[in-house]
Amino acid sequence: LAKTTQPISMDSYEGQEVNITCSHNNIATNDYITWYQQFPSQGPRFIIQGYKTKVTNEVASLFIPADRKSSTLSLPRVSLSDTAVYYCLVGDVNAGGTSYGKLTFGQGTILTVHP
Amino acid sequence: DSGVTQTPKHLITATGQRVTLRCSPRSGDLSVYWYQQSLDQGLQFLIQYYNGEERAKGNILERFSAQQFPDLHSELNLSSLELGDSALYFCASTRGPLNTGELFFGEGSRLTVL
Repeated sequence: LAKTTQPISMDSYEGQEVNITCSHNNIATNDYITWYQQFPSQGPRFIIQGYKTKVTNEVASLFIPADRKSSTLSLPRVSLSDTAVYYCLVGDVNAGGTSYGKLTFGQGTILTVHP
Repeated sequence: DSGVTQTPKHLITATGQRVTLRCSPRSGDLSVYWYQQSLDQGLQFLIQYYNGEERAKGNILERFSAQQFPDLHSELNLSSLELGDSALYFCASTRGPLNTGELFFGEGSRLTVL
């Protein structure tokens, strides 16, 4: 399973765009990249998933360069309610479920949005 | 609301005791995953069940056990509790046996061992 590295914490202000980068140098060919958001005392919530290039949904964008050794979660115009922990996960979603199912979320990035 | 229900939300017990945490997956989901989250360990995968059968096992202690019943709800049993077992325990579910990355988590059960 690919090891991921994220910044421990980030600070931003309301209305700004926030980019959180995750490094995964040993990502495998079949690995997908998935991001989760977690608020205190709540379960993580799926944000976005991608394999390569760019993926966009109603809440975020995910940028993946050609070498796929990193990925960047982009949150447009953050608000105070975006203050949370953000996790990057990398794994093979088609590997029979067993390896991906064992994923550990790691420490994530604590994003604090200030007024 | 993810559709995953966990009970109890809070539980306080003493060392050496045994507790059972319960999880009802989203309607139609056959896979249930259990995770433990403590301050110093992050979110750790414990075990996965699919349609009643154990599918994958993580760093689950021998003092812990789980099962998934025919109605697809799951229970996590924690015995001989130690102070270090104090944590948030999350259940998540997915439709099929494969974790494609979009796990649906419950609100968690906070266990405090005194």
